Amino acid sequence: KQEVTQIPAALSVPEGENLVLNCSFTDSAIYNLQWFRQDPGKGLTSLLLIQSSQREQTSGRLNASLDKSSGRSTLYIAASQPGDSATYLCAPRGQGGKLIFGQGTELSVKP
Amino acid sequence: ETGVTQTPRHLVMGMTNKKSLKCEQHLGHNAMYWYKQSAKKPLELMFVYSLEERVENNSVPSRFSPECPNSSHLFLHLHTLQPEDSALYLCASSQDLTAARPDTQYFGPGTRLTVL
Repeated sequence: KQEVTQIPAALSVPEGENLVLNCSFTDSAIYNLQWFRQDPGKGLTSLLLIQSSQREQTSGRLNASLDKSSGRSTLYIAASQPGDSATYLCAPRGQGGKLIFGQGTELSVKP
Repeated sequence: ETGVTQTPRHLVMGMTNKKSLKCEQHLGHNAMYWYKQSAKKPLELMFVYSLEERVENNSVPSRFSPECPNSSHLFLHLHTLQPEDSALYLCASSQDLTAARPDTQYFGPGTRLTVL
């Protein structure tokens, strides 16, 4: 059974810092992995999707890496801004399109 | 309207009520999902539909009954719920369930359910 762990659970930083959010998963037999953002009480917004054959994906200030064999993914946020404050969720995708979610990292970026 | 929409956004119901949650996707997708998000817990997959056929029922109690009348609409019928069923219920869609495709799931804003 796939288990996903995200570290840290919460993070508070001043504006402008570069951040690293970590995700680990126990079953490396995945097809891809998605990173999502969730604002309080709202739905999820997809940020990046990395295929199992890829090592990283970039979108603007976001860069996600994937090391499938060791069961790890990292989300790097450059030059953080207050608008980045949200909960970040990682979800590897296994058989049948099933996403398994971690509990998330709650990020707060202070002006 | 674009993306994935859910109604109602908020719902308060008693344990003896019957209500339904509605999800609609305007993306031409073939797969739709119901997730439950309780406080301090990871999102839990409840049901998966592909081309209007249920392909996954993740050990969900029978007081939750899904319905997918067509590929654009998904319902979750609620009956005799318990207070511990209070949660954010999220609907999502994706192009299909084929593993070979780079397939992003798109989520709706959710329905915040409170069971009294």
